[in-house]
Formats: sequence, C-alpha cells, structure tokens
Amino acid sequence: DGGITQSPKYLFRKEGQNVTLSCEQNLNHDAMYWYRQDPGQGLRLIYYSQIVNDFQKGDIAEGYSVSREKKESFPLTVTSAQKNPTAFYLCASSIWGRQTGELFFGEGSRLTVL
Amino acid sequence: QKEVEQNSGPLSVPEGAIASLNCTYSDRGSQSFFWYRQYSGKSPELIMFIYSNGDKEDGRFTAQLNKASQYVSLLIRDSQPSDSATYLCAVNLNTGFQKLVFGTGTRLLVSP
Repeated sequence: DGGITQSPKYLFRKEGQNVTLSCEQNLNHDAMYWYRQDPGQGLRLIYYSQIVNDFQKGDIAEGYSVSREKKESFPLTVTSAQKNPTAFYLCASSIWGRQTGELFFGEGSRLTVL
Repeated sequence: QKEVEQNSGPLSVPEGAIASLNCTYSDRGSQSFFWYRQYSGKSPELIMFIYSNGDKEDGRFTAQLNKASQYVSLLIRDSQPSDSATYLCAVNLNTGFQKLVFGTGTRLLVSP
C-alpha cells in the first residue's frame, strides 16, 4: 500500500539534544513538507522540498534542519536551538504543480522534551 | 488579520442534523481550498477540496466556495457521532508556489 511512514511515533528528548524524525513516502510524490502542530493552533510549515537536493524554509524554520537526498525521504532534525520543541510533527507529500495541491499526511511524530 | 480563520467551537449538533462549518481567508488570489478532518491524536485526512465557486458534493459532505466574499464552508448532512472531530480548513495561497495555510480548526461534537 502506498503511503507516508513517520518514525518514531513518540519520542522523548532531554534538553540540549538533537533528534531526527524520519519520513518516508512511496507515493512517488515530488514535494514533501514538514508541519508542526501545537494545541489550539493550526499546522505551521517548517520546511518543504520540491525536488531532490533542494528545500526551502517555511514559516517557522529556526531551530530545525532537513535534507532531501532521495525522493522518498525527507528527515527533520530538531536541534537544541529550537526553544520549544514539544509538539506534534507531521510530514506530508503532494504532487508538485498540480492545481489542487492536496497534501497527504503521515501518522505524525509526537516529541516531548523532558 | 489571520490568513485563514475558523471558529474554534465546539460546534454541538444532535445526531442526524446538518453541521455547518465555516472558514474565511484573507488572500483574494487564493486558488484552492481544502477541508481536512482530524481525530484527536491523529493526523489530518482530506475530506474534500474545491477550487471553483459554488457547491461540490461528495456523499454526506458539501463544500461551498464564495470567492467574492472570501469564505468556504463545509456542510455535513445526517451527522453521526463518528463525525465528531476537528475540521481544518486549508487554503492554497496565491504565492507563486504550492503552500497550504491552515486554520486553527473547528471542533465538532455530534451527540447521539
């Protein structure tokens, strides 16, 4: 079955540690995205990538980094520079250039900083 | 003004009633509009998208778009308790690249 796989589903981190969230898709989609969701807030865009080896900052990129070495993979690193990293992280993909541009989401990764 | 605005709710309706969810957006050049359903602790799932003025129906769901008034709505007919969730409105802004901006969501509660 085609879809987006995020791992881990739950992650606990001590302050000062970097953590990497995995996102893999087998939908053959060109574009991939990372969103962050906090209680009572909408989804906010962290980074997005249209093609391999290229990515752009979203609205809240500070304290995060990404890579796009393969079409299928778009890992997100939450660095120690991110001041408030506890959140629900969602990876998504879409067919770039399609008018409707609907996003397909993975199941999410919930990060808690202890 | 927020780019995409929704009433946070909760919107409470009895089972079998019509639930009406509304969303307004600020960018008049926005191209396409989406409704996602999100159950507590889960990721959003796409219900419908619309990009032309008027109504679009899919089963019990109807999306309505009025670009002149800059609002999009979602009607759920014959509401079921399983429809209880947060409904997110998302708008593809006319920014030159493909970017969805999400509202904060409306929580819907359908009582048996």
